[in-house]
Amino acid sequence: AQKVTQAQTEISVVEKEDVTLDCVYETRDTTYYLFWYKQPPSGELVFLIRRNSFDEQNEISGRYSWNFQKSTSSFNFTITASQVVDSAVYFCALSDMYSGGGADGLTFGKGTHLIIQP
Amino acid sequence: EAGVAQSPRYKIIEKRQSVAFWCNPISGHATLYWYQQILGQGPKLLIQFQNNGVVDDSQLPKDRFSAERLKGVDSTLKIQPAKLEDSAVYLCASSLPGIYEQYFGPGTRLTVT
Repeated sequence: AQKVTQAQTEISVVEKEDVTLDCVYETRDTTYYLFWYKQPPSGELVFLIRRNSFDEQNEISGRYSWNFQKSTSSFNFTITASQVVDSAVYFCALSDMYSGGGADGLTFGKGTHLIIQP
Repeated sequence: EAGVAQSPRYKIIEKRQSVAFWCNPISGHATLYWYQQILGQGPKLLIQFQNNGVVDDSQLPKDRFSAERLKGVDSTLKIQPAKLEDSAVYLCASSLPGIYEQYFGPGTRLTVT
């Protein structure tokens, strides 16, 4: 069975601070995909990144960076120089590949509520 | 490109009533998913379609929930009869074959009183 754990329920930082959101996952599959989604107050889930299990390269996109470590089953997300607009709930999610060649449904963590104070 | 469309955006019903939600995925997206998001939790997959066939409905409470995607495009999720614990946001998502990221609609917020 798959499981995603986001131990941080809520994080509050002051604008311009760096913040890291933790994600630990469990799966028996050797091929899987990891995701981060952002859910702002408006409620719509916004896709941020996908990572394949066979690609452990870290990724940077502007102020966002992701650290994938298979050895510790972690896929952490760092926001550098946080801004008020980053305030949202962030979800880590896991998906396997099903036999039809597409992605299985996502298993989500409970989310981390990030509050950036001005 | 238009995103995933869902309607209605909000619905309030009494317990034991029935309700239906509609989803139109992004054009060309063969895979369609329905999720239930209870307040304070992450979304939970209810059902996954590939074209008009069901791939996974293992977490769908089949005694009261049903879903269909007859022509392989839009989909309907129905609850009959509703219970208080069905109060949640129902999210629809879609993806392209072989592409693993899913794109979500705005959701339908259901309140059962």
